[in-house]
Amino acid sequence: GAGVSQSPSNKVTEKGKDVELRCDPISGHTALYWYRQSLGQGLEFLIYFQGNSAPDKSGLPSDRFSAERTGGSVSTLTIQRTQQEDSAVYLCASSSRTSGSLHTQYFGPGTRLTVL
Amino acid sequence: AQRVTQPEKLLSVFKGAPVELKCNYSYSGSPELFWYVQYSRQRLQLLLRHISRESIKGFTADLNKGETSFHLKKPFAQEEDSAMYYCALRDGGSQGNLIFGKGTKLSVKP
Repeated sequence: GAGVSQSPSNKVTEKGKDVELRCDPISGHTALYWYRQSLGQGLEFLIYFQGNSAPDKSGLPSDRFSAERTGGSVSTLTIQRTQQEDSAVYLCASSSRTSGSLHTQYFGPGTRLTVL
Repeated sequence: AQRVTQPEKLLSVFKGAPVELKCNYSYSGSPELFWYVQYSRQRLQLLLRHISRESIKGFTADLNKGETSFHLKKPFAQEEDSAMYYCALRDGGSQGNLIFGKGTKLSVKP
């Protein structure tokens, strides 16, 4: 079946503009994660959604970052007033709670954000 | 603090040579550890997890709680093994998000 998809694949924006990044998880997966992959920093956790529970926002680096998940499926990560340090690849992953304790996360191809 | 350390940014070996990618972790509790791999122009994917005690593509990793390590090993490297490798720890105290190391780029030369 289809894997996790993300759009756009690339986004170039000017400093100060807002951007929205989209993630379509694997159908039926109730858990959804956002990560950021920065040069030299590896992958950092940003936010986690599980079903209808309140999201875990503990990884968001500032209040300019927010995310929502509509209908328990598609998620949008919004970055307001972008800064150059926001330039990174933003990865989305999903997993099924029915996979038991293994919680394998399946990753999307990422959105490469460049802030000029 | 929970942390995953991969001390080598780049590891270069010749085809057929043994390879070991190092991973150390810091975690209070019983850890769940994973290795993820990202081949050129492909998405990040799970390679193996310690709980399964499996061998994937000839790679194995053993959890050593005494040394807090989860090194990835392969006895005979192949050119197609060239990729970025990330060690990750599942944060069981949170909602299951992964804590990643900074990655090691493996280059296997012919």
